[in-house]
Amino acid sequence: SQTIHQWPATLVQPVGSPLSLECTVEGTSNPNLYWYRQAAGRGLQLLFYSVGIGQISSEVPQNLSASRPQDRQFILSSKKLLLSDSGFYLCAWTPKGWNEQFFGPGTRLTVL
Amino acid sequence: AQTVTQSQPEMSVQEAETVTLSCTYDTSESNYYLFWYKQPPSRQMILVIRQEAYKQQNATENRFSVNFQKAAKSFSLKISDSQLGDTAMYFCAFYDRGGSEKLVFGKGMKLTVNP
Repeated sequence: SQTIHQWPATLVQPVGSPLSLECTVEGTSNPNLYWYRQAAGRGLQLLFYSVGIGQISSEVPQNLSASRPQDRQFILSSKKLLLSDSGFYLCAWTPKGWNEQFFGPGTRLTVL
Repeated sequence: AQTVTQSQPEMSVQEAETVTLSCTYDTSESNYYLFWYKQPPSRQMILVIRQEAYKQQNATENRFSVNFQKAAKSFSLKISDSQLGDTAMYFCAFYDRGGSEKLVFGKGMKLTVNP
């Protein structure tokens, strides 16, 4: 069966520090991968998605970036965090040609 | 571009009662999927129910059912016999089969089931 992992689960970082959040999927190959951000009590904002290794589509221009160095690995990064980067970050995947997205447990990021 | 609107930000219901969550969407496409996702306090996103646009029959999953009105572009979720564990954020989402490989989510609504 397929499993999606995200780490860390919780992160507290100072303003201006770098960020690296990792997402991996097990039990499937060539999935579509997605990064979302959810502010407190708000909806999901799609940040990036990827249909293959090295292929990244950005939905929102900001100081975040994403990379997909391996088929089942999706990384969200920042060189310098802003206060507004605080939120709950969700990774999701879907099999090629399918529509339902399967979500990871999320990372709660607090920027102080 | 497709949009999904959930006009009720918050609702509450008594345990064992029935509640309906509303969702409307805008698209020019004819071949698509609609979803309701649930996000309990644990924040894990869980699929509740899925509807294929070409199917006229409304989807049902145990206590959860939808009222899909394609012409009106409406997709409401009915929860019967509400349980305390139904307390969560609920998100309506749209997927265009012929378009980009993305889900478009509504802003969500918070449902509280009271004992």
